[in-house]
Amino acid sequence: DVKVTQSSRYLVKRTGEKVFLECVQDMDHENMFWYRQDPGLGLRLIYFSYDVKMKEKGDIPEGYSVSREKKERFSLILESASTNQTSMYLCASSPVLAGELEQFFGPGTRLTVL
Amino acid sequence: GDSVTQMEGPVTLSEEAFLTINCTYTATGYPSLFWYVQYPGEGLQLLLKATKADDKGSNKGFEATYRKETTSFHLEKGSVQVSDSAVYFCALSLFQGAQKLVFGQGTRLTINP
Repeated sequence: DVKVTQSSRYLVKRTGEKVFLECVQDMDHENMFWYRQDPGLGLRLIYFSYDVKMKEKGDIPEGYSVSREKKERFSLILESASTNQTSMYLCASSPVLAGELEQFFGPGTRLTVL
Repeated sequence: GDSVTQMEGPVTLSEEAFLTINCTYTATGYPSLFWYVQYPGEGLQLLLKATKADDKGSNKGFEATYRKETTSFHLEKGSVQVSDSAVYFCALSLFQGAQKLVFGQGTRLTINP
């Protein structure tokens, strides 16, 4: 069974803290993605990676960075957390196969920045 | 740019009612279209998809047809159940280094017994 796991379901941090959100997939997928989910806005892509050590900015990368040192792990970093980064963060992965379009999602991390 | 627009929620129905959730898109080229569902406390999972015009995706009693002429991909189910209560997301895919998804804003569906 395919699986994407995220390090925490709930996280509370203070303004200015450095925050790490971890995502691990066990499907040997090349592509990994970080989204944030906000009511009324759907999911918005923050960053994605199509290979180890490769990363591309998504639609809302400001205030975030990412790291992909191993194929199975994709980390999202908030260098200095702010209250407007309070949100649900979802990680996803997908293979690079002709015709394979599905992304597989983790359960999400609900981050609150106080 | 590419975008997806879903009908505003929340939507509340009684069990066994007919469901339609509207979805329209704007895209350059010919995207693939998806419906994802998010049950309470969980991540998103693929419900159905269609990869070309006039394709019909179906799963768990839900259906959606890729209509290129109206740029739409409306989700329908003939008789909903309480267990269908969830948030539904319409999405399109485009390739930019990787197969990326563009999501609509989501529609929260509640089914009352």
